[in-house]
Amino acid sequence: GENVEQHPSTLSVQEGDSAVIKCTYSDSASNYFPWYKQELGKRPQLIIDIRSNVGEKKDQRIAVTLNKTAKHFSLHITETQPEDSAVYFCAASQKTSGSRLTFGEGTQLTVNP
Amino acid sequence: DTAVSQTPKYLVTQMGNDKSIKCEQNLGHDTMYWYKQDSKKFLKIMFSYNNKELIINETVPNRFSPKSPDKAHLNLHINSLELGDSAVYFCASSLLGDYGYTFGSGTRLTVV
Repeated sequence: GENVEQHPSTLSVQEGDSAVIKCTYSDSASNYFPWYKQELGKRPQLIIDIRSNVGEKKDQRIAVTLNKTAKHFSLHITETQPEDSAVYFCAASQKTSGSRLTFGEGTQLTVNP
Repeated sequence: DTAVSQTPKYLVTQMGNDKSIKCEQNLGHDTMYWYKQDSKKFLKIMFSYNNKELIINETVPNRFSPKSPDKAHLNLHINSLELGDSAVYFCASSLLGDYGYTFGSGTRLTVV
């Protein structure tokens, strides 16, 4: 089955700096890679996703890049703000797995004002 | 107008009891899931149903039994609760295929 590794497990940045979270996956058949943000005590919420036919996708201050050859993808947050503080999860899935999302272990991002 | 709703939000119960968690979605999705989030925040899939059919059944103790009466509802019944069952249980839904999930607000289960 799919295995997703996520690094770092914790990340602390100053407000205004950029933050980068990296994930690797094991199954070359995976073709869908979403990112979720989970604030304390809340549900995970989808913030951006990318499919295997695209190398990069951007939405305002967040962007995701995908390198299929190396089987890794990354989340980039620019101009970080205190409200970006949360746990971020990457995930991977493939159609043949019944839409199963395999999640990374999460990154606790803290943005210091 | 909540998209994916779970009840109850909190559940505190004694070891050995049987409890149920209910989930409903009004997004028109055809696939629903149960995930368990442990104290280290790791999200692990337990079950998935597509149009009332079980399609994912991970290695979960058979004390856990899901039930989907229709594609908008997915319930989870847990027998003989154990201390190690304490966690947050999330219901989610999506369209089958490569689509993101919409999660419910979670049920924090505490077994004492």
